[in-house]
Amino acid sequence: GENVGLHLPTLSVQEGDNSIINCAYSNSASDYFIWYKQESGKGPQFIIDIRSNMDKRQGQRVTVLLNKTVKHLSLQIAATQPGDSAVYFCAETSNSGNTPLVFGKGTRLSVIA
Amino acid sequence: DAGVTQSPTHLIKTRGQHVTLRCSPISGHKSVSWYQQVLGQGPQFIFQYYEKEERGRGNFPDRFSARQFPNYSSELNVNALLLGDSALYLCASSLTLGDYEQYFGPGTRLTVT
Repeated sequence: GENVGLHLPTLSVQEGDNSIINCAYSNSASDYFIWYKQESGKGPQFIIDIRSNMDKRQGQRVTVLLNKTVKHLSLQIAATQPGDSAVYFCAETSNSGNTPLVFGKGTRLSVIA
Repeated sequence: DAGVTQSPTHLIKTRGQHVTLRCSPISGHKSVSWYQQVLGQGPQFIFQYYEKEERGRGNFPDRFSARQFPNYSSELNVNALLLGDSALYLCASSLTLGDYEQYFGPGTRLTVT
């Protein structure tokens, strides 16, 4: 299958532990952020989003934290499972106008069973 | 319902040739975006189409062009292929323009030799 992230930063986590994936974004005008999961051979899959008027948003086993002061975004995955193994990308955009998504470089999450 | 589909899945071309990649959005989605993903990096925006019109273009040379058909499917064309065009080309569809909940297809892996 497709190996998307041969040279990406890698985070190795024991199954059942929590994972934290970090992302620094570049544009202070960005006001909408999305986390994507990309498995080998597949396109990116939407996980969770957050708008700049929030600093935390929770989904099912995932939480996104946004720190606009330092332009930092994190994705927390609770009770990490082998199926969470993938490359994770953050993406930023501005909700005002038709601004395209700008993706970060990505982090490979490897879950150790 | 079928997700976003792309064809072909893999393609090998030689330098100087041209290529056409195809995308069918999710039924009911009117906006299609194209991204280039070089190995080890995040997707980079190429084009967005909505209602058959180009609504956004990334920093790509004129060798790249696209169009959207009345049934909302789309084609990406690349002329005078270069080795550096080798990448995974992703198509994403969304309901409307400015809807950032985009659904990605599995991509077309283009190798230029």
